[in-house]
Amino acid sequence: GENVEQHPSTLSVQEGDSAVIKCTYSDSASNYFPWYKQELGKRPQLIIDIRSNVGEKKDQRIAVTLNKTAKHFSLHITETQPEDSAVYFCAASKGGGTYKYIFGTGTRLKVLA
Amino acid sequence: DAGITQSPRHKVTETGTPVTLRCHQTENHRYMYWYRQDPGHGLRLIHYSYGVKDTDKGEVSDGYSVSRSKTEDFLLTLESATSSQTSVYFCAISESARGDEKLFFGSGTQLSVL
Repeated sequence: GENVEQHPSTLSVQEGDSAVIKCTYSDSASNYFPWYKQELGKRPQLIIDIRSNVGEKKDQRIAVTLNKTAKHFSLHITETQPEDSAVYFCAASKGGGTYKYIFGTGTRLKVLA
Repeated sequence: DAGITQSPRHKVTETGTPVTLRCHQTENHRYMYWYRQDPGHGLRLIHYSYGVKDTDKGEVSDGYSVSRSKTEDFLLTLESATSSQTSVYFCAISESARGDEKLFFGSGTQLSVL
């Protein structure tokens, strides 16, 4: 069935360093790939997304890259700050009337001051 | 934040009792979803709705039912709660008509089944 694998499950980086989280999806029909950030006890919030017709998207310190051939996409956070500490989830969706999002299992990012 | 309200925010119940969680939105979005969040599993789709009285199963629908009698309300019912249904439940909404597939979440309901 449809599946999204996310790695690593935990990631610790020093403040100011970069962090990379990777996801692989199984359904080649997937065409929309959002990333969510969830702080402790809070709701998941969309931080960036990318569609299958785009290879890369940036928003300040956050970027997402997509490799459709390999069916994987990655979240890149540069110049990490303590407030970046959270759980990050990737997801994949086929859209087109079947708006079922398949989520990865999450990555707990710790930014060490 | 999108106008999504979940109630209750916390609930403790006993095994075998029925439980209903409510999701209310003020965005007039067509699609509504119920997810459960458990450690090591991320967010898993229970049921979703693509319009009033139009619902479909997700990947973990056993033991759950839903109803949507109005655009703004989506109810999740545990007919006979079990300890395995202890979880955090998130409602989410999205609107596809504009081609906008962004998913917005409510604040969640922490459910404990004893």
